[in-house]
Amino acid sequence: DIQMTQSPSSLSASVGDRVTITCRASQSITRYLNWYQQKPGKAPKLLIYGASSLQGGVPSRFSGSGSGTDFTLTISSLQPEDSATYYCQQTYSTPYSFGQGTKLEIK
Amino acid sequence: QVLLVQSGAEVRQPGDSVKVSCKASGYTFTSYDINWVRQASGQGLEWMGWMNPNTGNTGYAQNFQGKFTMTRDTSISTAYMELSSLRSEDTAVYYCAREGDGYNSLDFWGQGTLVTVSS
Repeated sequence: DIQMTQSPSSLSASVGDRVTITCRASQSITRYLNWYQQKPGKAPKLLIYGASSLQGGVPSRFSGSGSGTDFTLTISSLQPEDSATYYCQQTYSTPYSFGQGTKLEIK
Repeated sequence: QVLLVQSGAEVRQPGDSVKVSCKASGYTFTSYDINWVRQASGQGLEWMGWMNPNTGNTGYAQNFQGKFTMTRDTSISTAYMELSSLRSEDTAVYYCAREGDGYNSLDFWGQGTLVTVSS
């Protein structure tokens, strides 16, 4: 099974900051890496698929990069509504494992 | 628009079973796999398995083998997941999600169903 490791597990940043979250796979997953945003009491929402493709309706301040084993999610200018937990997920092979999540708080 | 609407919260006793439904609309139900994901309170997301609604083929995470069964009724565009031999550790929110075209990503999600196991 492929293990996904996210870092950091939590972070606090200010409005307007550039924020980066990283995700590492235990083996190559080519570009089969997706990012989700989850707010309390809500279902996860797909932000980025295929490592760098923006899902429709997602603000352009979100971007993703990477391939193989190392990936990043970047928020270019943090907004108050970006306070949430972010998860990466590999869909290269089943079981489709998730990272443990990164809780992002706004200072 | 694509919607996945899940059945309501359930309370069960240890040893019971529970069946959760996920009704799809806004797309051709048989064209996209359905995945199930579990989230215990305050915890992360745990992938459980997938089902092809067209063929009925399924795949299960090892943690859930023998514990969890996925079925569907194509006549009403509804997927089901059944958990058996419930334990307190199965208390969680269960989500269904559609596996979309882009790199097997989960592009649409149900609202979640809370299953509480308590004596």
